[in-house]
Amino acid sequence: QKEVEQDPGPLSVPEGAIVSLNCTYSNSAFQYFMWYRQYSRKGPELLMYTYSSGNKEDGRFTAQVDKSSKYISLFIRDSQPSDSATYLCAMSEGNTDKLIFGTGTRLQVFP
Amino acid sequence: DADVTQTPRNRITKTGKRIMLECSQTKGHDRMYWYRQDPGLGLRLIYYSFDVKDINKGEISDGYSVSRQAQAKFSLSLESAIPNQTALYFCATSQRDGTGELFFGEGSRLTVL
Repeated sequence: QKEVEQDPGPLSVPEGAIVSLNCTYSNSAFQYFMWYRQYSRKGPELLMYTYSSGNKEDGRFTAQVDKSSKYISLFIRDSQPSDSATYLCAMSEGNTDKLIFGTGTRLQVFP
Repeated sequence: DADVTQTPRNRITKTGKRIMLECSQTKGHDRMYWYRQDPGLGLRLIYYSFDVKDINKGEISDGYSVSRQAQAKFSLSLESAIPNQTALYFCATSQRDGTGELFFGEGSRLTVL
């Protein structure tokens, strides 16, 4: 079993839809949770960063962490074609420890 | 100019050849990493370096070697390339006392025939 599991998609939604992206993990010591966005032919860029459990909101994006269920989510409201990318979850035990990445979910938002 | 620069961006080579991928950064970060990305497998850590004198193996270091020539330069070598090393390779940096956020280059696509 992989430490971090992520549905690879692809996920195809119409513009304006609410998108839910999820990851599960097995290591209960993970405390730092991130979502990276990767456009085609580009390197990943940090989108959201969360420490421990709870929610974090940034514009149309909300990150949720449920440590009791070992489950993290990224919600995108009012999705736009420019949101079309691959979204990778990543997590670590300490903020200076190595990140463990999910395989990424490819999202396509069509007009 | 990009903060993390990788060269070459694309390379096609033959089995058995020696290949070097280079990475340079202007972010002033101490920590540098090499990842490979494969469809269905995500990003996997090959090697990482927390400073010039510190080199560590990652999850999949077999068949690879690295050199940290300076704080700003970290190169990845494939001594004798094989087809299953065909992948997209990323260099990344992070701050020593930061959040752990990684800053990635744009990738080097390597094809081994």
